[in-house]
Amino acid sequence: DGGITQSPKYLFRKEGQNVTLSCEQNLNHDAMYWYRQDPGQGLRLIYYSQIVNDFQKGDIAEGYSVSREKKESFPLTVTSAQKNPTAFYLCATGYGGRGYTFGSGTRLTVV
Amino acid sequence: GENVEQHPSTLSVQEGDSAVIKCTYSDSASNYFPWYKQELGKRPQLIIDIRSNVGEKKDQRIAVTLNKTAKHFSLHITETQPEDSAVYFCAASWGGTASKLTFGTGTRLQVTL
Repeated sequence: DGGITQSPKYLFRKEGQNVTLSCEQNLNHDAMYWYRQDPGQGLRLIYYSQIVNDFQKGDIAEGYSVSREKKESFPLTVTSAQKNPTAFYLCATGYGGRGYTFGSGTRLTVV
Repeated sequence: GENVEQHPSTLSVQEGDSAVIKCTYSDSASNYFPWYKQELGKRPQLIIDIRSNVGEKKDQRIAVTLNKTAKHFSLHITETQPEDSAVYFCAASWGGTASKLTFGTGTRLQVTL
C-alpha cells in the first residue's frame, strides 16, 4: 500500500454499533487525513491532523471521531450518531512536494 | 471554504482521441492543484499537479493548464488508450502541498476501441 495500511478492507456495522477503522503509515509524514467517498460525490473530508495530539474537523465530521496519539497512526471511529455510514473510507498522508498518498481504503456497510 | 466544481461528470472518447476535463475553484488563495486517477475499487493515484506560479505542465500524454484569473484549471489527455479509463478527480488547496485538499466530484472517462 505504498507505506499506508488501512484495515480492515471490508467492515460491516450493525445498527447502534461503533466501529473503528485503522490507518497506519511508515512514510514519516506529519499530515494525515480521512475522506469519505460516495458515488457521484467525490471525496469529502472528515477529519485531518497536521501534527501528533492535534486534529481538526473537516466538512462532514458529525458522527465521527479520531485520535492522533502517534505520528504513525490515525484511527477513525464511526459512531452510532452517524446515520448513513455506508461508504468507502480513504486515509491519506501529506508531505511537501507530492501532495497526498492514499491508502487502499475500507468499505463500510451497515447491516 | 473552498469549493471545486468539475465537468463533465462522464466522458466517452474513442481510442486515440483527446479528452479534456475542466475544474473551477472559488478561493483565490488556492495555490496547489493536483489531479488524481482512480481505477475501479482502487485508491486514487496522483497523476499530475500544478502550482499557482505555473500556467501549464506536461508529463508525456498528460497536461494540466491553470488560469488563475478565471480560477479554472483543466486536465488534457492526448492519444487516449483503454487503460486511461477511470475516474479522474481534480482538487485544490491553499496551504501548500501537504494541506487539506478540496476535491471535485469526479469525471468518469471511458475510452472505447
